[in-house]
Amino acid sequence: GEDVEQSLFLSVREGDSSVINCTYTDSSSTYLYWYKQEPGAGLQLLTYIFSNMDMKQDQRLTVLLNKKDKHLSLRIADTQTGDSAIYFCAESRGNGGFKTIFGAGTRLFVKA
Amino acid sequence: GAGVSQSPSNKVTEKGKDVELRCDPISGHTALYWYRQSLGQGLEFLIYFQGNSAPDKSGLPSDRFSAERTGGSVSTLTIQRTQQEDSAVYLCASSLARRGSDEQFFGPGTRLTVL
Repeated sequence: GEDVEQSLFLSVREGDSSVINCTYTDSSSTYLYWYKQEPGAGLQLLTYIFSNMDMKQDQRLTVLLNKKDKHLSLRIADTQTGDSAIYFCAESRGNGGFKTIFGAGTRLFVKA
Repeated sequence: GAGVSQSPSNKVTEKGKDVELRCDPISGHTALYWYRQSLGQGLEFLIYFQGNSAPDKSGLPSDRFSAERTGGSVSTLTIQRTQQEDSAVYLCASSLARRGSDEQFFGPGTRLTVL
């Protein structure tokens, strides 16, 4: 069955770059997503990438996709304490009939 | 209200009691998901409703858990004979389930505590 895996914790120093990794198993995945959950809040979509792309950049965020290895990463440049949150990787087939599969989430700790 | 709403926001119950959790999705969203989020366990998929199709119940942890979605809108998650390990935050999300990128919109969750 489909599966999305990511490590549970990551700790970085303020100002450093954070890289959160994710692997998935569904070769039919068309869209890969990153969601963010701040403390005490619900999940919100951060960014997504279409499977025919290998990189997407949005200000401090860079998403890299290696479709061959089914590996997705989220890089946060100049990490700030406000970036402390749980980051969820998710994938879908994009045809509206299949559910989106989420990873368990990576908790990012940013040390001042 | 433009977002997904859930009620109650907090529920404390005694072991063995039944509980019902409610989710009001965004109007027009045909897909609805229930997840469970436990400390240290991450986000766990429970059940998925899509239009008039039979729900995907593959994530329900036991037969004590069930969910309904009436009229393609409001959904209720029922946990019978609650156990302490059912304590968690239960999240609901909805989406348009359209072709292409399909953003899920999450509710604030219901925090369930089983004593």
